[in-house]
Amino acid sequence: GAGVSQSPRYKVAKRGQDVALRCDPISGHVSLFWYQQALGQGPEFLTYFQNEAQLDKSGLPSDRFFAERPEGSVSTLKIQRTQQEDSAVYLCASSLEGPETQYFGPGTRLLVL
Amino acid sequence: GENVEQHPSTLSVQEGDSAVIKCTYSDSASNYFPWYKQELGKRPQLIIDIRSNVGEKKDQRIAVTLNKTAKHFSLHITETQPEDSAVYFCAASRTGGFKTIFGAGTRLFVKA
Repeated sequence: GAGVSQSPRYKVAKRGQDVALRCDPISGHVSLFWYQQALGQGPEFLTYFQNEAQLDKSGLPSDRFFAERPEGSVSTLKIQRTQQEDSAVYLCASSLEGPETQYFGPGTRLLVL
Repeated sequence: GENVEQHPSTLSVQEGDSAVIKCTYSDSASNYFPWYKQELGKRPQLIIDIRSNVGEKKDQRIAVTLNKTAKHFSLHITETQPEDSAVYFCAASRTGGFKTIFGAGTRLFVKA
């Protein structure tokens, strides 16, 4: 079946611009995770959804970051007033339930100029 | 806070040799330890995982060992091939938790 997909794959934004990143998880997967991966680093946890409920948002770096999953499937990560330090690859992952056996999407590479 | 340390950051081996990557974790409640392989520009892919109720798991040329007392776990790749060249990440999480904490990665080069 289809894996996790993300769009756009690349995004260039001017500093101060708002961006929205989309994640389509594997159908039927209850759990959805967002990660930020800086160049040469491991993925860093941002937030977690169980169905439509956002159960952990402790990794979001600031209140400029907002995520939603209103119908328990597709999720959107929104970054308001982007800053240069937001430049990174944003990865989405899904699993049947919980942190085990996560499947990652290809990521969105965000560059803020 | 929770932390996973990974060593070495870079590893270069000759084709056919073995490669070992080591990780230590800080959260004693961690009980699930996956390993991911990430090729340049690609998504991380789960290659093997281990749960805390076992000490070792093997899948063909790949094995993982876990020492809960010392809070460390290792990835072993035998008979390395050039296509094993990639960045490998270890990670830790716990049942009932939501966060997965990743190591900083090991860049493995396998020379033909």
